[in-house]
Amino acid sequence: DAGVTQSPTHLIKTRGQQVTLRCSPKSGHDTVSWYQQALGQGPQFIFQYYEEEERQRGNFPDRFSGHQFPNYSSELNVNALLLGDSALYLCASKGQDKNIQYFGAGTRLSVL
Amino acid sequence: QKEVEQDPGPLSVPEGAIVSLNCTYSNSAFQYFMWYRQYSRKGPELLMYTYSSGNKEDGRFTAQVDKSSKYISLFIRDSQPSDSATYLCAMGMNRDDKIIFGKGTRLHILP
Repeated sequence: DAGVTQSPTHLIKTRGQQVTLRCSPKSGHDTVSWYQQALGQGPQFIFQYYEEEERQRGNFPDRFSGHQFPNYSSELNVNALLLGDSALYLCASKGQDKNIQYFGAGTRLSVL
Repeated sequence: QKEVEQDPGPLSVPEGAIVSLNCTYSNSAFQYFMWYRQYSRKGPELLMYTYSSGNKEDGRFTAQVDKSSKYISLFIRDSQPSDSATYLCAMGMNRDDKIIFGKGTRLHILP
């Protein structure tokens, strides 16, 4: 049973560029959330997708957008990258019975 | 005041000692309480999950929730060098699937 998988593992971009990160949820899960984890901090909630709709959003600007596909996989897009967007981006998935989220290994984004 | 407060450490203890990790929170609407372990450059791994006040034990780990004091703890017995990691407390609400994390406590178990 594969857990949450994310790609790519690492990414280096320059300011102003755009980036797309990908996530496949754990088998049997239909809800995907994205978190940003800066160095030395806990993960911060970006948004959550369920039934291909954004169900909830944290305090992140519109430069952060996402998508969920019919197979429940998801993408996180960040436009007009800033140096401050450098972080570990984590995807988490859950089923509908409990609020228990399982995390992937993350994508480490460096913005130069 | 932040919703979840957690001492970032680092906390260094000798192998075999009992470790106590703690978080306080301000929002009484939190219903789910979780502890995640995160190794360097890895994603968080769910360790313990509790829904009510009281204790929950799983092997060497015990999670404790005191809703009246808005205080949660994780105890690690017979600590091992492999327990060296960052431990994140996390909380969520019934109808709100957003999870709020503490900053994490860095733990070092000294052989």
